Amino acid sequence: EAGVAQSPRYKIIEKRQSVAFWCNPISGHATLYWYQQILGQGPKLLIQFQNNGVVDDSQLPKDRFSAERLKGVDSTLKIQPAKLEDSAVYLCASSLGPYLNTGELFFGEGSRLTVL
Amino acid sequence: AQKVTQAQTEISVVEKEDVTLDCVYETRDTTYYLFWYKQPPSGELVFLIRRNSFDEQNEISGRYSWNFQKSTSSFNFTITASQVVDSAVYFCALSASSSNTGKLIFGQGTTLQVKP
Repeated sequence: EAGVAQSPRYKIIEKRQSVAFWCNPISGHATLYWYQQILGQGPKLLIQFQNNGVVDDSQLPKDRFSAERLKGVDSTLKIQPAKLEDSAVYLCASSLGPYLNTGELFFGEGSRLTVL
Repeated sequence: AQKVTQAQTEISVVEKEDVTLDCVYETRDTTYYLFWYKQPPSGELVFLIRRNSFDEQNEISGRYSWNFQKSTSSFNFTITASQVVDSAVYFCALSASSSNTGKLIFGQGTTLQVKP
């Protein structure tokens, strides 16, 4: 079974530029998450989708970050304009349903962003 | 507020030693789930275990064991006879029922280095 796919794996940009990350969840997984992991810290949830609807985006910096999940499958996370503090690994994860008592969370390998 | 604390930032052991990774959590919910994830250098978070708040039975899986104690709000992880392949960052995480979305709150992680 294919896992969660993410691209690109690495991206280096200058501050104020824009960047987009793509995620393809495990087939059949209705719930998709984007986490931000800053070096030396645990992952922090940015946004959670249930099919193509947003369930939780309370920690998403909406002035610069946006995410969409068209057709309830693939998702894109965009940062515009990027700041130095956005340097992090962006992890995509998926699960069968929104409640973790129904199953585990599967993570992709992440997209590492460096903002210069 | 919900919080996970992993007080040990880094642990270094010699192969075949036993090692315990500590995890202390905070939540006011009576129903919650606790998790351990392993993050090898490749970056992908690998699921190790999920426990619900009503099941305090300790669990053993091969060289891994987990000690869940509600009285001290702890969910510690022990690796017996450690191996070099166990070297990774380990995260403890909490999902509380009040979040209603399955959102995971991660600790800061413990970096384990197993030397040959």
